[in-house]
Amino acid sequence: DGGITQSPKYLFRKEGQNVTLSCEQNLNHDAMYWYRQDPGQGLRLIYYSQIVNDFQKGDIAEGYSVSREKKESFPLTVTSAQKNPTAFYLCASSSAGTDGQFFGPGTRLTVL
Amino acid sequence: GENVEQHPSTLSVQEGDSAVIKCTYSDSASNYFPWYKQELGKRPQLIIDIRSNVGEKKDQRIAVTLNKTAKHFSLHITETQPEDSAVYFCAASIGHNFNKFYFGSGTKLNVKP
Repeated sequence: DGGITQSPKYLFRKEGQNVTLSCEQNLNHDAMYWYRQDPGQGLRLIYYSQIVNDFQKGDIAEGYSVSREKKESFPLTVTSAQKNPTAFYLCASSSAGTDGQFFGPGTRLTVL
Repeated sequence: GENVEQHPSTLSVQEGDSAVIKCTYSDSASNYFPWYKQELGKRPQLIIDIRSNVGEKKDQRIAVTLNKTAKHFSLHITETQPEDSAVYFCAASIGHNFNKFYFGSGTKLNVKP
């Protein structure tokens, strides 16, 4: 299961706090993605990045922010503006082109 | 944008039987269709994929078929085993240099021993 890692595995946030979820890959993939998964639901795209220093909003970007300063790293910040952040967050990467995605192990975020 | 619908939402089969999960998509420009398996609390894992220039692809007990005219694709699992129990997601993407993926809502497959 190496190649793409996420940390921490579990994260607890108090209301009003910003938290940052880490995603690192050593697969030399150009594209990286962040998804949110709620219980019993599919995957919803938050942000994605095709190349370093460039990223685009997905379908549910409000209350989230990202950066892509290095090819290997695509951290996601869940801001206090995200009113219902409790969910399972999955990071993924894919090679430039038309290949499938590889997912990280996920971070489960809970708001206390 | 693309819309992917997946059916059924739950599927229960007896061990050894076959299972079929179906997805439809809306954008005829979609050209890549992966399937993922997600076990409880784990990450989705790519199990098979198909491109729009192919009608069928098989890998041991799993196969995927694609009907571009009808804009639907299906996952077929034969000789199901209890370890096949998981949630399966289909996805569609449009891409030439980069893919943005659209996921179905998932099918929970339960294989009864």
